[in-house]
Amino acid sequence: EPEVTQTPSHQVTQMGQEVILRCVPISNHLYFYWYRQILGQKVEFLVSFYNNEISEKSEIFDDQFSVERPDGSNFTLKIRSTKLEDSAMYFCASSVASGTYGELFFGEGSRLTVL
Amino acid sequence: AQTVTQSQPEMSVQEAETVTLSCTYDTSESDYYLFWYKQPPSRQMILVIRQEAYKQQNATENRFSVNFQKAAKSFSLKISDSQLGDAAMYFCAYRSYGGATNKLIFGTGTLLAVQP
Repeated sequence: EPEVTQTPSHQVTQMGQEVILRCVPISNHLYFYWYRQILGQKVEFLVSFYNNEISEKSEIFDDQFSVERPDGSNFTLKIRSTKLEDSAMYFCASSVASGTYGELFFGEGSRLTVL
Repeated sequence: AQTVTQSQPEMSVQEAETVTLSCTYDTSESDYYLFWYKQPPSRQMILVIRQEAYKQQNATENRFSVNFQKAAKSFSLKISDSQLGDAAMYFCAYRSYGGATNKLIFGTGTLLAVQP
């Protein structure tokens, strides 16, 4: 069964460093998302991406964050200069459509630890 | 803004018994979707069940069913004949109807343990 895959599963970085989290969505999906979950808190929406551009983003998704689909298969989340509060589990998701039939399929998550 | 609340951080159930996980939400919208997602340890979240707000009938998927009370803004998940494989974190989620994206608003989750 096709699934969303994420790498790395865990990354430890120093504050101020750049981090890139990678996702391979399901191949025929057209909508891509990043969510994050700080330990003990809610899963929060970060951004959605369609047709090579951001379609919606939350207030969390500030200028430190960017997303890209560099090669037609990968979908990346870049954090330019990490802060302690960026430590979280980051989930990638994809869907074939939006609206009624746009079920989201999630990856296993990438745990980011900022020291 | 919409919010989702899961007031039970942890629950436990005996194998073969029934357990109900609670979820309440707040919204001013009249049309929306509600979901329960399951996340087993170190595995991805998978959709368990969904409910369209305009449908009065409660959704059912095999051993999983919901009790959707629109006026009370309550959306509980009942798991019947619990199995060891049901042990997981369960998230309740809300999505607005229509719109160009599928942004989900999640609760904090309920960790379900199944005792043999």
